[in-house]
Order: sequence, then structure tokens, then C-alpha cells
Amino acid sequence: NAGVTQTPKFRVLKTGQSMTLLCAQDMNHEYMYWYRQDPGMGLRLIHYSVGEGTTAKGEVPDGYNVSRLKKQNFLLGLESAAPSQTSVYFCASSPHRGLVSYEQYFGPGTRLTVT
Amino acid sequence: AQRVTQPEKLLSVFKGAPVELKCNYSYSGSPELFWYVQYSRQRLQLLLRHISRESIKGFTADLNKGETSFHLKKPFAQEEDSAMYYCALIEGAQKLVFGQGTRLTINP
Repeated sequence: NAGVTQTPKFRVLKTGQSMTLLCAQDMNHEYMYWYRQDPGMGLRLIHYSVGEGTTAKGEVPDGYNVSRLKKQNFLLGLESAAPSQTSVYFCASSPHRGLVSYEQYFGPGTRLTVT
Repeated sequence: AQRVTQPEKLLSVFKGAPVELKCNYSYSGSPELFWYVQYSRQRLQLLLRHISRESIKGFTADLNKGETSFHLKKPFAQEEDSAMYYCALIEGAQKLVFGQGTRLTINP
């Protein structure tokens, strides 16, 4: 199993450009998440999904959109990139079985720089 | 809103010395707390969770509801413990709320 994979690993964008980050998981997990990691701020949740076809906003959703058309994929889009979106982006997934909290499995991250 | 605070951004100790990484939280209800770790050039991974009451790689963490703390401890630090450590709690829909992280450096 590859676990959680992210594409691309690195990207440099100019202000105003758009791009899509792809997250894929092969563990048949229901839940998927997008976080951003910034120095001194830990990881903050951008958007998440509790199942195919459903998405919801997290703590810092502005400037991002997501889609979960297939259970194994969770896409994060930046329509018009801004320098404030320079960050490392992590995708994660977890199973869902009732009320038990399960471990989240993280991808390797995507380092995005917006100039 | 739920919050997790890790007061130390950086922590440096010598090999063999005890380690304590602090974590405080605010949560209305019974929290579920975790420690995640990120070693150099590796992805973030679960270290331990409070409901398991387990010891992983020599680390333990006890939930103290009175002090709203979940400090991570290890009696004798090893060089391979150098990493970024995040305390986190679960809120609805299995969402994790992370602290700011503590970078632990173990000096030889």
C-alpha cells in the first residue's frame, strides 16, 4: 500500500495563478483532510470531507476550494494564489467506524511558494 | 473554540536527560488527545493517544483534567528523539486541532 500520496511535491506559483493539489489514498478511508503548516502555527485545517461527494470548511478555508468526486481522491484548489498561501500543505485520511477516534494518516506534504 | 497550546517552540536537552514537552488544552467536554511526531524528512505520524495509556518509544503522556494538560515525558532522551512534536485534540467529524508544535533537539 502506498498510503497517502500527494502531487506535486513542490510548486512555485506567481500571484494570481491557479493550481490544484491532488491527494490520493488507497486505504479505503472515509475521511480526508487538507491542512497547512506554517512556522509557529502548527497545522491548521483548511477543508475536510467525511465521504465521497461531501466537503466542509475547516479553520482557514478562505482562498481554497476542494472536491471529493471519488472516495480515494481529495483535491485542493487555489483559484488565485496569494503570497499568504505560501506554506506546506498536508493531506490526511482516517477511517470512520462509529464514535471511535482513529489515527489520521498523513501524506508527505507539498511545499508551495507564491511569489 | 477548542485550543491546544504548546508553550515551548524549541526544547533542547542532553542525551540521557529527562524530557518533558508541555501541552495544555481548552475543551468543553471530555477531550481525546494525541501526540503526533514528525522526524526529519518523514511524514507526520501518530506517537500516542491518551485513551490507549501506552508507552511508545519510551514516551508516556497522562491526561490531567484538573490542569487541562497532556504533557509528553520520557525519562532518558535519545538522539533519535530529535523531531517536531505536535499535541492535538479531536473535535467533531474526527477533526484534529493542533498545537503550535515543539522542536525537540537532543544533544550528544
